[in-house]
Amino acid sequence: KAGVTQTPRYLIKTRGQQVTLSCSPISGHRSVSWYQQTPGQGLQFLFEYFSETQRNKGNFPGRFSGRQFSNSRSEMNVSTLELGDSALYLCASSLGGQGRSGNNEQFFGPGTRLTVL
Amino acid sequence: GENVEQHPSTLSVQEGDSAVIKCTYSDSASNYFPWYKQELGKGPQLIIDIRSNVGEKKDQRIAVTLNKTAKHFSLHITETQPEDSAVYFCAASKGDKIIFGKGTRLHILP
Repeated sequence: KAGVTQTPRYLIKTRGQQVTLSCSPISGHRSVSWYQQTPGQGLQFLFEYFSETQRNKGNFPGRFSGRQFSNSRSEMNVSTLELGDSALYLCASSLGGQGRSGNNEQFFGPGTRLTVL
Repeated sequence: GENVEQHPSTLSVQEGDSAVIKCTYSDSASNYFPWYKQELGKGPQLIIDIRSNVGEKKDQRIAVTLNKTAKHFSLHITETQPEDSAVYFCAASKGDKIIFGKGTRLHILP
């Protein structure tokens, strides 16, 4: 079974631009979560999508948005890029069961390294 | 708010020795505790996990212990090898949300 894939792997943008990152989950997984990873802050949760609906959201500004398609693929968009947005953006997929009985084991992709100049 | 504290942030051990990484969590409703290993240039990979109805779990050289009363859980790596050098993350989840620790950079010294 293929793992989680993310495209592109590397991206360089300038301040003020916008960027779209893509994530394809493991086949059969309906939940996709996005994280921002920086050296000082570790893994910061951005949002989670399940069956095309945003189910959870972290504490990031509205410049960060996402969506999920009917095939569970997900995209994340960052508008008006700032220098501080430079980070590794990780996507993780899981079967996505809800509540305490759900299977919440997450599988991560390799990430997209975004550099904002 | 919910929080996971992870210590130490950096750990250096001699090859062959044991390494222990500790985490505490704040939400007593958490019931799933995975550990991830992240190697350079890769995403985190699940190495072991434990659920709240179990106190200890072992997989070859890796073991995890959970103390629900104290809200502590720990990762133990025995007979460390060079390939164990990586960043390790603990996490706590209660089904709808997963909170990660800030990571421990483990160095295995020759």
